[in-house]
Amino acid sequence: GAGVSQTPSNKVTEKGKYVELRCDPISGHTALYWYRQSLGQGPEFLIYFQGTGAADDSGLPNDRFFAVRPEGSVSTLKIQRTERGDSAVYLCASSLTGDPNTGELFFGEGSRLTVL
Amino acid sequence: GNSVTQMEGPVTLSEEAFLTINCTYTATGYPSLFWYVQYPGEGLQLLLKATKADDKGSNKGFEATYRKETTSFHLEKGSVQVSDSAVYFCALATGGFKTIFGAGTRLFVKA
Repeated sequence: GAGVSQTPSNKVTEKGKYVELRCDPISGHTALYWYRQSLGQGPEFLIYFQGTGAADDSGLPNDRFFAVRPEGSVSTLKIQRTERGDSAVYLCASSLTGDPNTGELFFGEGSRLTVL
Repeated sequence: GNSVTQMEGPVTLSEEAFLTINCTYTATGYPSLFWYVQYPGEGLQLLLKATKADDKGSNKGFEATYRKETTSFHLEKGSVQVSDSAVYFCALATGGFKTIFGAGTRLFVKA
């Protein structure tokens, strides 16, 4: 497809379980971002990749959260020992340049995570 | 720190009414300012942007002017349509790669 693709669109899991969320960016976009959107809030930055490397992971809330992008395209956000407070919509975005001033962010529809 | 504050919703208007959604920001340096829109069932998409003071961004009949003196970037449209019903997010970027978003304002337009 032409846009950013995220899977699964919905994930329900139990507290303590491990979860992986996948993002397939627009072909050719070197910059990839993960954001988290809680109910009634705007997207909150988690991590930014330029190519294969995480240029900034300062938004990851704790060490239960980890993200990879091994070949510079698809990215996976991994959450260990999930907690109820992790419930949110996880958004992925990609960009041609990595600079929001010059390169538009293109967002996927998100993965809604519910931790019971 | 950098932040964005926008008016709480929901905002409910009749078709052809005038729309204003207020947005103010706090930032170090000289940020670029954005409005993103999220239509039902779709991902966020860029609506318009302005990269320096006094710039006006416009798209699809929407406009917003970058006002440095009042640190504002209010979104306006002269005549809304039912199809404009969506959630609108004001956002800023300060020369790095992070975009900081407001909490969003939901707009309902009635026929």
